Amino acid sequence: KAGVTQTPRYLIKTRGQQVTLSCSPISGHRSVSWYQQTPGQGLQFLFEYFSETQRNKGNFPGRFSGRQFSNSRSEMNVSTLELGDSALYLCASKDLANTGELFFGEGSRLTVL
Amino acid sequence: DQQVKQNSPSLSVQEGRISILNCDYTNSMFDYFLWYKKYPAEGPTFLISISSIKDKNEDGRFTVFLNKSAKHLSLHIVPSQPGDSAVYFCAASRRGGKLIFGQGTELSVKP
Repeated sequence: KAGVTQTPRYLIKTRGQQVTLSCSPISGHRSVSWYQQTPGQGLQFLFEYFSETQRNKGNFPGRFSGRQFSNSRSEMNVSTLELGDSALYLCASKDLANTGELFFGEGSRLTVL
Repeated sequence: DQQVKQNSPSLSVQEGRISILNCDYTNSMFDYFLWYKKYPAEGPTFLISISSIKDKNEDGRFTVFLNKSAKHLSLHIVPSQPGDSAVYFCAASRRGGKLIFGQGTELSVKP
């Protein structure tokens, strides 16, 4: 079974631009979560989608948005990029039949200049 | 508001000795706890978990202890190996809720 796939792996943007990151979950997993990892802050929860609906949301500004498609693939978008948005963005999927183990992708490293 | 806290950013131990990583939480509604391990340039990988109905769970060299009254959990690695060097994250959730992670502890196991 293929793991969680995230694209692109690395990208560089400038302030004010917007970015879209993509995530393909493990086959059969319908729940997809997004996390932001920055040094010293650990993994900060962004949002979770299940069956194309946002199930949970973290404390991030409205510039951060996401969506999920009928095939469970998910995208997240950050508009009007700020320097502080530079981070590793991690996507994770899970099988809701399992209690809570998340399977993570390798992440998309975003650098904002 | 950091609901899950790992107060030690780093830990260094000698190969063969015990590594103890600690984690505190504030939300008494959490009923499921997990540890993840992360190598550089890779996503976190699941290590071990424990539900709130237990106080200990063991898997090979890894044991997680849960003290609900103190809202504290710990991960013991015995014996520690150089390949265990990584960042360890603890995480907690309520059933059906989002998984909240701590800030991580970087473990360095020296040969």
